[in-house]
This record gives sequence, structure tokens and C-alpha cells, in this order.
Amino acid sequence: NAGVTQTPKFQVLKTGQSMTLQCAQDMNHNSMYWYRQDPGMGLRLIYYSASEGTTDKGEVPNGYNVSRLNKREFSLRLESAAPSQTSVYFCASKRGGQGDQPQHFGDGTRLSIL
Amino acid sequence: GESVGLHLPTLSVQEGDNSIINCAYSNSASDYFIWYKQESGKGPQFIIDIRSNMDKRQGQRVTVLLNKTVKHLSLQIAATQPGDSAVYFCADGGGSNYKLTFGKGTLLTVNP
Repeated sequence: NAGVTQTPKFQVLKTGQSMTLQCAQDMNHNSMYWYRQDPGMGLRLIYYSASEGTTDKGEVPNGYNVSRLNKREFSLRLESAAPSQTSVYFCASKRGGQGDQPQHFGDGTRLSIL
Repeated sequence: GESVGLHLPTLSVQEGDNSIINCAYSNSASDYFIWYKQESGKGPQFIIDIRSNMDKRQGQRVTVLLNKTVKHLSLQIAATQPGDSAVYFCADGGGSNYKLTFGKGTLLTVNP
């Protein structure tokens, strides 16, 4: 049971470099999410995709772009990395549609920007 | 904006004791709540959820209580074990079918 898979697990970048974080889910879920987690800040929503073909901004979208490549994959891109983007990034997915369901998370990408 | 908060950032209990982790929310439109467990180096793991038409829900060794009058929910863990040591987050559906708002988390430490 893979669930939500994130790659890479760790990455170090220099300021100004670009990078794409990959996320894939094998649960046939409709909705996917990107969060960042910083010490003392909890999880904050960057972008989400309610269904294939749609994306929307979350709480902290500045400096990021996303692509919902297909139903399985949702990528997060940093075009010009800044030290303030040093964080742990989590991808999540949810079945979607009507009714409430929990989001299921991957194990994160730990990103350091020097 | 609306927020979800936790009363205590840390909780230390003895193995075998019951643990209670509290959470307050402020959005009156919230109708769905989730508790997650996060171990070091891992992503949040779903524990239990509750909808606003319920005031109590039980799982395996866990119970969630919801008090809509005072906008408060709690997670009770029975017979706490060392493997329960983790950060616990409550999350608030906020009336949205898509987005969750997370609290900052409570670190639970279980002493042998």
C-alpha cells in the first residue's frame, strides 16, 4: 500500500535555484493538496486541486506554482528558491466529492535553501 | 481568518495512564473535525474524525468528544503506550468540502 508518495525526501538548494517537488497517489483520489510545515506554525496550505484539471491558491501560495498532471500526480514548483522557503513540504490527497473524508499524507520532502 | 488552537503545547504521561489532548476552534460553520498523529520524520497519520451531528465517537483506544456549544474538541487515548508518543494535531473542516485548517499540535510524551 503505497498511498501518497513524495520525491525527493531531502533536498538542498541554493538561493535562486528552481526545483519541482513530486507527489503521486495510488488511491484514485480526486483532491490533492500541498502544505508546508514550519516549527511552531503547524501545517499551512499552499495550493490544492479539488479535482483533475483545477487548482486553487491556499493560505501561502506566493513563490510557488503547481501542476495537476493527471489524477494521480500533483507537483509543486519553486521557480526561484528563497531561504524563507526552507521547510518540510507535505502532499496529501482525499477521495473528494460529496461528504467529509480525511486527507491522507505522504512522508514529506525536507527542503533546505542556503 | 478562523483558526484552530490547542490548549497545551506539550503533555507528558506515564505508560498505562489515559491521555487527553484538547483543541479549540473558532469557526461556527465548522462541521467536520479530524485528529492526526505525527511521528518524527513522518507525515500526519489519520486517527479519527467526527462530524458536527455527533458529540462522541470511539475508535480503538481513542475517543473524540465534540462540544459545539463552547467550540471544543478533545482526543482521549486510553492506556497510553510508548508508541503513542508523537505530535497530535486537530484539523477543522471549516464548512469547506475541500480545505482543512490545522492547529499547531501537542507533543505527547509517554514515560515508561
